[in-house]
Order: sequence, then C-alpha cells, then structure tokens
Amino acid sequence: NAGVMQNPRHLVRRRGQEARLRCSPMKGHSHVYWYRQLPEEGLKFMVYLQKENIIDESGMPKERFSAEFPKEGPSILRIQQVVRGDSAAYFCASSTAPGGAGTDTQYFGPGTRLTVL
Amino acid sequence: RKEVEQDPGPFNVPEGATVAFNCTYSNSASQSFFWYRQDCRKEPKLLMSVYSSGNEDGRFTAQLNRASQYISLLIRDSKLSDSATYLCVVIPATSGTYKYIFGTGTRLKVLA
Repeated sequence: NAGVMQNPRHLVRRRGQEARLRCSPMKGHSHVYWYRQLPEEGLKFMVYLQKENIIDESGMPKERFSAEFPKEGPSILRIQQVVRGDSAAYFCASSTAPGGAGTDTQYFGPGTRLTVL
Repeated sequence: RKEVEQDPGPFNVPEGATVAFNCTYSNSASQSFFWYRQDCRKEPKLLMSVYSSGNEDGRFTAQLNRASQYISLLIRDSKLSDSATYLCVVIPATSGTYKYIFGTGTRLKVLA
C-alpha cells in the first residue's frame, strides 16, 4: 500500500529556471495539500486542491507559484523563474476528506528538496 | 505572537528518562490538535491526535489544556529511536479543517 509519493526527491535549479514538483496522493485520497518548509522553520500551508479544483491557495505566493491537480495524473506544484529564496523542502500531503473524525488526518510524502543556485 | 509556539530545544535526555514538551496556541477556538514526528530531512509522520480527555499510546501521552491553551506530549522510558523533532499541529476553527498550522518543532536527543 504505497503512501504519498513525490518526485523528484531532490531538484537543483539555477535562478530564473522553472521547477515542477509532483505529488501522487495515497490510494483512495482525493484531497491534496502542499506545504513548504524553509530551513530551521516549521511547515507552512501553501495550497489545498481536489481533483480539477483549487480550494484554498491562501498560502501561495502571489507570483510565480501555481498548483494543479488534474483529473488524471499527479498534482503539480510549479515555480516559475525560481530565486534563491525558493530553496526549501516542499511536502505534499493527502487525506480522504477535510473533515470528520479521522478523515482529515493528513499523510505526508517524503518531500522534494529544491535547491536554487 | 505566533499562532503555535514550541520550545526548539534540543532536549538531551538519557535513555529511560521521561521527557515532556509543551506547545502553546493563540487561537482559543482551535478545534483539532496533533503531534507529528519528523526525523532529520524526512517527512512528518503522525504520532498521535490530541483529544480533550487526553490520550495515551504506549509510552506516549498527549494532553490538551484549553483553559491555558496548550497541548503537551509526555514520553516515558525514552529510547534512542525517539530522537527526532516533535511537531505540534493546530487546526484553527476559522480556517477549515485542512489548514494545519505547524509549530517549528522541539528537538529531542536521547543519549545512550
């Protein structure tokens, strides 16, 4: 029973390039969340998606960042024109549903560590 | 004031010791609380939910104090494998049940 899968695990980009991070939720989970963890800081909520819908993107920077969760395939977090400050660990989590006892528990993937040179 | 605050530690304890961490939260209407464990450069893993009546899972006990707005985690008979960062998670009532607010974590080192 595979857990949440993320790839790549490590990604190196030069300033100005694009970064694409992928997340496949756990089997049976239709709710996906992205978090960012800067060095020596806690995880910060970025965005919550369901299939083909962005439910809450209040934690996403207004520019250069976008996320999608298409009908088929993984969720994608896209960062355009990366800057050094984007270097962080990006974690994806999934749940069966956002509410109700037990169903809102979020299970995290192994993360993608983005390094911007 | 931060929404969720934790003492970063590190807490260095010998094997077999009992250690406790607290986590304070600012939103009195917060409704759900969790403890996650994060090993170095790995993903957070759910350790336990925190219920109003408190709950216990083996050597781990979690408590919620709504009046003082904090949750606690007690680890008894510490093992070397307990060395990790312990993350407090709070879900404020106003945000929907999905927006986890993480503390920065408390580092625990269990020494042989």
